[in-house]
Amino acid sequence: GNSVTQMEGPVTLSEEAFLTINCTYTATGYPSLFWYVQYPGEGLQLLLKATKADDKGSNKGFEATYRKETTSFHLEKGSVQVSDSAVYFCALSDPKSGGYNKLIFGAGTRLAVHP
Amino acid sequence: NAGVMQNPRHLVRRRGQEARLRCSPMKGHSHVYWYRQLPEEGLKFMVYLQKENIIDESGMPKERFSAEFPKEGPSILRIQQVVRGDSAAYFCASSRTGDTEAFFGQGTRLTVV
Repeated sequence: GNSVTQMEGPVTLSEEAFLTINCTYTATGYPSLFWYVQYPGEGLQLLLKATKADDKGSNKGFEATYRKETTSFHLEKGSVQVSDSAVYFCALSDPKSGGYNKLIFGAGTRLAVHP
Repeated sequence: NAGVMQNPRHLVRRRGQEARLRCSPMKGHSHVYWYRQLPEEGLKFMVYLQKENIIDESGMPKERFSAEFPKEGPSILRIQQVVRGDSAAYFCASSRTGDTEAFFGQGTRLTVV
């Protein structure tokens, strides 16, 4: 079945360090891919998305490229800030869902950034 | 334009009681999704509804759980005879027809004591 696998956390970085959070997926068909961020005690916010192969999603200094050949959608940021501390979820839209936004989430990766 | 509104934010129920979770989608959104997040886990799809119709309930437990999205008013996720294992954060999301983006509410954190 369709699934998303994320690197396990927590990821602990110093401010201004480079961030990579790995995400790979298994899906039949052509899903859209998403990164969501969850700040403590809050709901999920869409960070970025990509809807087809080789698309690059970007927002707030974060970016991820839809790689069909490696079935990956790794999240990167060149210089993290303390305010980036949160849990990051990779997700795909189930291509079997018939066109609606049934999302399949990874387990989440907690990021802690220290000054 | 208000976002997806969920209430209550926190709900405490004793074992055997009923829990009702409400979700008002964003204005103009006619698609509602419910997800459950167990502690330290990702979100798991439960159910997808359009106005007055359940489209996909493949993630709903077979017993005690039900959902509705009436013509007027919010979507309701109802859990009867709650047990400790129902303790989780329940998130609602909404989207417009044809849109690839779903917007999430802040969630309802249910604690069963």
